[in-house]
Amino acid sequence: QQQVKQSPQSLIVQKGGISIINCAYENTAFDYFPWYQQFPGKGPALLIAIRPDVSEKKEGRFTISFNKSAKQFSLHIMDSQPGDSATYFCAARVVSGGYNKLIFGAGTRLAVHP
Amino acid sequence: DTGVSQDPRHKITKRGQNVTFRCDPISEHNRLYWYRQTLGQGPEFLTYFQNEAQLEKSRLLSDRFSAERPKGSFSTLEIQRTEQGDSAMYLCASSLTSGMTYNEQFFGPGTRLTVL
Repeated sequence: QQQVKQSPQSLIVQKGGISIINCAYENTAFDYFPWYQQFPGKGPALLIAIRPDVSEKKEGRFTISFNKSAKQFSLHIMDSQPGDSATYFCAARVVSGGYNKLIFGAGTRLAVHP
Repeated sequence: DTGVSQDPRHKITKRGQNVTFRCDPISEHNRLYWYRQTLGQGPEFLTYFQNEAQLEKSRLLSDRFSAERPKGSFSTLEIQRTEQGDSAMYLCASSLTSGMTYNEQFFGPGTRLTVL
């Protein structure tokens, strides 16, 4: 119930293409869904996030699509660039005992080829 | 740099030794989290502090692990009698309590532990 399932495990995209990463969850208590980007040797950094009462959020080339009924959400990276090559984690927040805890997916390693 | 800092960045130790990691959160953040990240996996929650109080511990945090946050500032994570299975990246994150807003967790660069 606490899991967030992420796919694919790895993704290769040509420069200028669209990268799509999918996540699914079961726990309806999740109330916030952030995506983190992690470069080698660095900690994860928040990329974009969405609340479950919104179906889509766009920030620049990054878009989250959220399907509450299907309990699925996805990250779309438009016009993918080599600098986007990183590992992407979806996450879901659950509030427990007055504090929030993030449950992370297993990550998708994205490689954008020039 | 006003982000979350962690020290050391890398630690190599022999099985059975004790290790201690330090995390300095963003100065005004009152919440501090520790996560563990193994190769090819997402971060897994270990423990959480609100100010100096440790409010939650994951089942992943065995008796060999202890965390402190004296005075509600920096935090330390100690692992006693390290095992090879403890090899991982240990991440610290901090956030600010702000009513019911979706408090972003800011992550540090992590401490990579290798147990030989």
